[in-house]
Amino acid sequence: EDQVTQSPEALRLQEGESSSLNCSYTVSGLRGLFWYRQDPGKGPEFLFTLYSAGEEKEKERLKATLTKKESFLHITAPKPEDSATYLCAVAGDNRKLIWGLGTSLAVNP
Amino acid sequence: DTAVSQTPKYLVTQMGNDKSIKCEQNLGHDTMYWYKQDSKKFLKIMFSYNNKELIINETVPNRFSPKSPDKAHLNLHINSLELGDSAVYFCASSHFGGPGEKLFFGSGTQLSVL
Repeated sequence: EDQVTQSPEALRLQEGESSSLNCSYTVSGLRGLFWYRQDPGKGPEFLFTLYSAGEEKEKERLKATLTKKESFLHITAPKPEDSATYLCAVAGDNRKLIWGLGTSLAVNP
Repeated sequence: DTAVSQTPKYLVTQMGNDKSIKCEQNLGHDTMYWYKQDSKKFLKIMFSYNNKELIINETVPNRFSPKSPDKAHLNLHINSLELGDSAVYFCASSHFGGPGEKLFFGSGTQLSVL
């Protein structure tokens, strides 16, 4: 059964304190692994898609990496505006998107 | 100009009532979706439509009925609302509906059934 597990559930960082969020997955025939950011009261906002192991993508302070079993979202020198819930999702051969429960990130000034 | 817009933002109603949520996208996408997000933030697909044709219909009670008058609109009608229907409902769209495509979400409708 396709499954996505994100850890930790919640993370509190000081401004400038780099860290990583984890997304472990099992899927039959990976078609894509997605990272989204969700702010309170808003819909998820797309960040990255990764398609194959070894792939990396960057956007400002965020860098996403992918292996055959997991993905990491690295946050370098975070700022308070990076505070949000980060959601991971995978699409496999059954073409359905399976979502994790997210990591709630708080960055203190 | 909002890409995916849904109304209303908040919906508070009594058990047993019927309500509708409207969604429109101006991105020219072929595929639209309804998702339900529960209190634990878990996102679950309910329906997807591609160019007005129903593609995905998850195990959702038949009290929920989507309607797509054209490919830019996907509305959700809910009959005989129950307490367990309380959640945030998100509309989303993607270009063609392929599994590797990114989704564009609306800002959500928070439904509270009293």
